[in-house]
Amino acid sequence: QSALTQPASVSGSPGQSITISCTGTSSDVGSYNLVSWYQQHPGKAPKVIIYEGTKRPSGVSNRFSGSKSGNTASLTISGLQAEDEADYYCCSYAGSSTPFGGGTKLTVL
Amino acid sequence: QVTLRESGPALVKPTQTLTLTCTFSGFSLSTSGMCVSWIRQPPGKALEWLARIDWDDDKYYSTSLKTRLTISKDTSKNQVVLTMTNMDPVDTATYYCARIRPPQYYFDYWGQGTLVTVSS
Repeated sequence: QSALTQPASVSGSPGQSITISCTGTSSDVGSYNLVSWYQQHPGKAPKVIIYEGTKRPSGVSNRFSGSKSGNTASLTISGLQAEDEADYYCCSYAGSSTPFGGGTKLTVL
Repeated sequence: QVTLRESGPALVKPTQTLTLTCTFSGFSLSTSGMCVSWIRQPPGKALEWLARIDWDDDKYYSTSLKTRLTISKDTSKNQVVLTMTNMDPVDTATYYCARIRPPQYYFDYWGQGTLVTVSS
């Protein structure tokens, strides 16, 4: 049960769009439409921003969107804002486990 | 209103056993499909899923830590307890408990986390 693979860092300017990938295997991301994404600001608990791969919880900006192709899920943030600067983690249901990705630090330039 | 709160020692010595308690409100772990997990995060590092307990008392553990972890629940007290044996300095981390929202299976509510430092 390995961690999912994410890029360590991404960056973008205000107003731009960025995409964070999350690569798993046929045992987790590829087998279930149950990928979730979490935003974590320093010193805070993670907050869910995407669940079931593409759905946003109530109150989450529609600038956040998710997708999946095969064993790779992706999070796209459009119209970057300063407040989006944070760490982002993907997570996938995998039956008897729930692995997280290694996390991606988003820097808003 | 759903809340979760972790409690336990802030400092443990190497080789000791850590016992953490997650006390929650706003839901019942006897409700069909409900689950609670423990997740940890070493300082400056990534989240790591540790264990999960389901409403029907099914239990699941991280493969790499399975021999050291035990998760249990006390439904009457609205508590989930995690024990981790043979603590090591590399286990220094913030430990979170989180509710899993069925059937979409994501962590919808988190505790604020509790920092556990392993040092002699």
